[in-house]
Amino acid sequence: DAGITQSPRHKVTETGTPVTLRCHQTENHRYMYWYRQDPGHGLRLIHYSYGVKDTDKGEVSDGYSVSRSKTEDFLLTLESATSSQTSVYFCAISYRDRGSEAFFGQGTRLTVV
Amino acid sequence: QKEVEQDPGPLSVPEGAIVSLNCTYSNSAFQYFMWYRQYSRKGPELLMYTYSSGNKEDGRFTAQVDKSSKYISLFIRDSQPSDSATYLCAMSAAGGTSYGKLTFGQGTILTVHP
Repeated sequence: DAGITQSPRHKVTETGTPVTLRCHQTENHRYMYWYRQDPGHGLRLIHYSYGVKDTDKGEVSDGYSVSRSKTEDFLLTLESATSSQTSVYFCAISYRDRGSEAFFGQGTRLTVV
Repeated sequence: QKEVEQDPGPLSVPEGAIVSLNCTYSNSAFQYFMWYRQYSRKGPELLMYTYSSGNKEDGRFTAQVDKSSKYISLFIRDSQPSDSATYLCAMSAAGGTSYGKLTFGQGTILTVHP
């Protein structure tokens, strides 16, 4: 399972509150990603990281920020949660020397009310 | 128009049937092609990974890529009820900062009934 742990697994929050999701990996991978999954859209890339303090935006980054101060942790923050950010969030890692396939965590189900 | 199009189904087949799942894409920069299987309330699980045109077989699963037509397929032979899941195609460009940055299809919901 590529040693990925996401927390929390479920969260309900109110509109306007900040929320932070955590992705923790145990295998020292440099490459980490946050995706969201919504009906009719598959998975879409939010942000990604190629190492400590090296992050960049993906396809749907508005309203999200990330931080990576340690190799093992990649944090996704919703600065001020909105109902449109209700989704399932997946963290992933990839092995660059093996090509482009990504391996996913179990997901965090976030509901913004 | 989305870069990757996948028929969402749902697709319902009897046990033992051959299943064909398909995706088309528009970005000719895509060089890596993947199929993921996702069970309900679980993360996507990598099923097949290819990077060249042609066929790749793994047990009951065959992935087919036709870059000239921008078309990929996944075939499942002798389908089982345990194959019931959502199947997602994914692809990425090669090189530089493209690794691991996947573009997904919408996913096809497959049910195999006994």
